[in-house]
Amino acid sequence: DGGITQSPKYLFRKEGQNVTLSCEQNLNHDAMYWYRQDPGQGLRLIYYSQIVNDFQKGDIAEGYSVSREKKESFPLTVTSAQKNPTAFYLCASSLDRMNQPQHFGDGTRLSIL
Amino acid sequence: GENVEQHPSTLSVQEGDSAVIKCTYSDSASNYFPWYKQELGKGPQLIIDIRSNVGEKKDQRIAVTLNKTAKHFSLHITETQPEDSAVYFCAASKGNTPLVFGKGTRLSVIA
Repeated sequence: DGGITQSPKYLFRKEGQNVTLSCEQNLNHDAMYWYRQDPGQGLRLIYYSQIVNDFQKGDIAEGYSVSREKKESFPLTVTSAQKNPTAFYLCASSLDRMNQPQHFGDGTRLSIL
Repeated sequence: GENVEQHPSTLSVQEGDSAVIKCTYSDSASNYFPWYKQELGKGPQLIIDIRSNVGEKKDQRIAVTLNKTAKHFSLHITETQPEDSAVYFCAASKGNTPLVFGKGTRLSVIA
């Protein structure tokens, strides 16, 4: 079955540590996205990529970094500069344009030790 | 930029009744309006979407209506069932710009 796989499901970070969240898709989609979800806040866009080797900042990119070296992979690094990283992180993809249905993974919950 | 307001934030209905969730948007150029359902511990799933050239769309017990003049769109769920209990999100976008999401509605269907 085609879909989006996020790993790990739960992740713990120590103060001052960078952590990387994995997102892989086998839908052959060009566009991929990272969202952060906090209680009562909806989904906020961190970064998005419409093509390999290109990505754009979303509304809350500070403290995060991404890469898009392969079409099927869009990893997100939460750096030590992100002072409040505890949240539920969702990865999504769409065929090519942003005003199209997005398919979501089941998320990674990041917590601070 | 686009701003999407979603109401209510929580909604409780009796099983078999209808549920309506409303969203307003600010950018009259927005032309794509999806609705997502998110169950606990899972990612959102698209349940229905509508584009600005259509006023209403139905899929079994789910329907979405769009009023471009008033800049609002609504999700209607008829004959609600316990498995409809979830958080629902609306979103809007125009052209090739990112979706802007509402803050969500927690729907509880009471058996």
